[in-house]
Amino acid sequence: AQTVTQSQPEMSVQEAETVTLSCTYDTSESDYYLFWYKQPPSRQMILVIRQEAYKQQNATENRFSVNFQKAAKSFSLKISDSQLGDAAMYFCAYFRIQGGSEKLVFGKGTKLTVNP
Amino acid sequence: GAGVSQSPRYKVAKRGQDVALRCDPISGHVSLFWYQQALGQGPEFLTYFQNEAQLDKSGLPSDRFFAERPEGSVSTLKIQRTQQEDSAVYLCASSRPGTGSTEAFFGQGTRLTVV
Repeated sequence: AQTVTQSQPEMSVQEAETVTLSCTYDTSESDYYLFWYKQPPSRQMILVIRQEAYKQQNATENRFSVNFQKAAKSFSLKISDSQLGDAAMYFCAYFRIQGGSEKLVFGKGTKLTVNP
Repeated sequence: GAGVSQSPRYKVAKRGQDVALRCDPISGHVSLFWYQQALGQGPEFLTYFQNEAQLDKSGLPSDRFFAERPEGSVSTLKIQRTQQEDSAVYLCASSRPGTGSTEAFFGQGTRLTVV
């Protein structure tokens, strides 16, 4: 079974600084997708960034980038120039398709605090 | 509307009461998912629909949980004889089917509190 582990329950960063959130996953599949979602207090999950496992190049979206290490099954998120609006829960997720079903498997999340 | 809409936003139920949670997916989205998110935890998969077909209900915690999507659009998650451990946020998401290259869009969830 696929599992996703986020080892940092909480992280904090100073405004304008850089922070990295960790994620590891376990899978026997060779082709899959990984995601980082942001969940503010409003509860709505917002996609931050996605990575296709077959792509060696790390995905980037403006201030957000990932460090994808396929052999190590590691998928960390780097937030540069942190802003107050980045404060939220961040969830790493693995996307699987199996037997006609598809689903996202989430980690337990990391609460990010941004200090002014 | 343009996004996934869930109602009600908040629901307080007395233990033993039946509840129904509604999800309006984005128009044209074939795939629909329900997740349960306990306080301080990540979302846990409950069930998956492709159009009106429920292709995976492996995450439903007990036979008190039932989901339907009769016309392939609006979905309802029903919980019978609610218990305190059912208290959680219930998230609905929709997407086009197929690969993970398609984004799943989430609603704002329904916070269920069983007292």
